[in-house]
Amino acid sequence: KQEVTQIPAALSVPEGENLVLNCSFTDSAIYNLQWFRQDPGKGLTSLLLIQSSQREQTSGRLNASLDKSSGRSTLYIAASQPGDSATYLCAVALYNQGGKLIFGQGTELSVKP
Amino acid sequence: DAGITQSPRYKITETGRQVTLMCHQTWSHSYMFWYRQDLGHGLRLIYYSAAADITDKGEVPDGYVVSRSKTENFPLTLESATRSQTSVYFCASSPGQGYGYTFGSGTRLTVV
Repeated sequence: KQEVTQIPAALSVPEGENLVLNCSFTDSAIYNLQWFRQDPGKGLTSLLLIQSSQREQTSGRLNASLDKSSGRSTLYIAASQPGDSATYLCAVALYNQGGKLIFGQGTELSVKP
Repeated sequence: DAGITQSPRYKITETGRQVTLMCHQTWSHSYMFWYRQDLGHGLRLIYYSAAADITDKGEVPDGYVVSRSKTENFPLTLESATRSQTSVYFCASSPGQGYGYTFGSGTRLTVV
């Protein structure tokens, strides 16, 4: 059974810091890995999608990497801002199971001004 | 409007009542999904559908019924609501296996 773990569960940093969020998964039979952002009381916003054949994806200040063989992904946020405060979720799409997403528990990020 | 919409945004219902949560997407995506989000459990898959008239159970299907007579709609019905079904429900869609998901804004359901 696929399990997705995110470390740390919560993180508080001062504005301007670069930071890394970690995601690990137990089964490498995945189509892709997707990082989402969730603001309190809101829905999920897709940030980055990395296909299983890719090593990384970048969007603005965000960079996500994927090492499928070791079952790990990282989300790097450069020059953090208070507006980055949110919960960040990673999810893997299971291969040959309808591509259904299995989510980690999330990392709650707080960026202090 | 283009996208994926859920209705209602908020719902309070009584134990034992039937309630239906609606999900509509305008992209003609093949795949649609229902998740529930609870503190301590994260997001868990209830049901999913690969196409019209094709549905399958997820991790926590008990007490829920789905149908998909049209590609764009994927309603979720709680046949006899229980307090344990108090949760935030998210619908999502995807063009196909291996593609990204897009989520709706969610329905906050309270069963009293």
